[in-house]
Amino acid sequence: DTGVSQNPRHKITKRGQNVTFRCDPISEHNRLYWYRQTLGQGPEFLTYFQNEAQLEKSRLLSDRFSAERPKGSFSTLEIQRTEQGDSAMYLCASSPYPTSGGDNEQFFGPGTRLTVL
Amino acid sequence: AQTVTQSQPEMSVQEAETVTLSCTYDTSESDYYLFWYKQPPSRQMILVIRQEAYKQQNATENRFSVNFQKAAKSFSLKISDSQLGDAAMYFCAYSPTSGSRLTFGEGTQLTVNP
Repeated sequence: DTGVSQNPRHKITKRGQNVTFRCDPISEHNRLYWYRQTLGQGPEFLTYFQNEAQLEKSRLLSDRFSAERPKGSFSTLEIQRTEQGDSAMYLCASSPYPTSGGDNEQFFGPGTRLTVL
Repeated sequence: AQTVTQSQPEMSVQEAETVTLSCTYDTSESDYYLFWYKQPPSRQMILVIRQEAYKQQNATENRFSVNFQKAAKSFSLKISDSQLGDAAMYFCAYSPTSGSRLTFGEGTQLTVNP
């Protein structure tokens, strides 16, 4: 078990460009989550999937943001026409669901730091 | 909407001493889950401890324990015998149902002094 991985770890882009991030969850984890964290703040929920299905999207996820998990394994988060306010750490997490234990710990990846110039 | 508040932006503790981090939350649900996560300088979030609201007994994990006061909507974390490796940002988080979204507080930066 190698944990949740995210690529790239760092991305610098110019305003107006499109960027795509990838998250590989722990194998056989059904649920996958995306959060955004700005400096000095707690993570904010963006969206999550169970297998291929996107179950919930935050109002923070504007039309410029789209997330997919086409085969129920890895997920991508795309930001179109980036703005300086998009600069943040984008965190991915995964969890097994359902389990007999009831509660499901979310295991976080190292994040992708986006800087928009 | 659920909110989570951590009123202590920074805390410090001497090595081997005990420190308590505060967290309050707001919800209209009767059953929910509460968590403390640790984010070291490498920034990978790690679960420290969890509490299910329907369980009256406070959760403990080795040197970490919580004081869960459901009526007061308070969920504090006590770290005993603090170690240098405990230095990190600590986040309190809330989830309305098992496996659903987490709502995080603003975080408390813990410094452990040798």
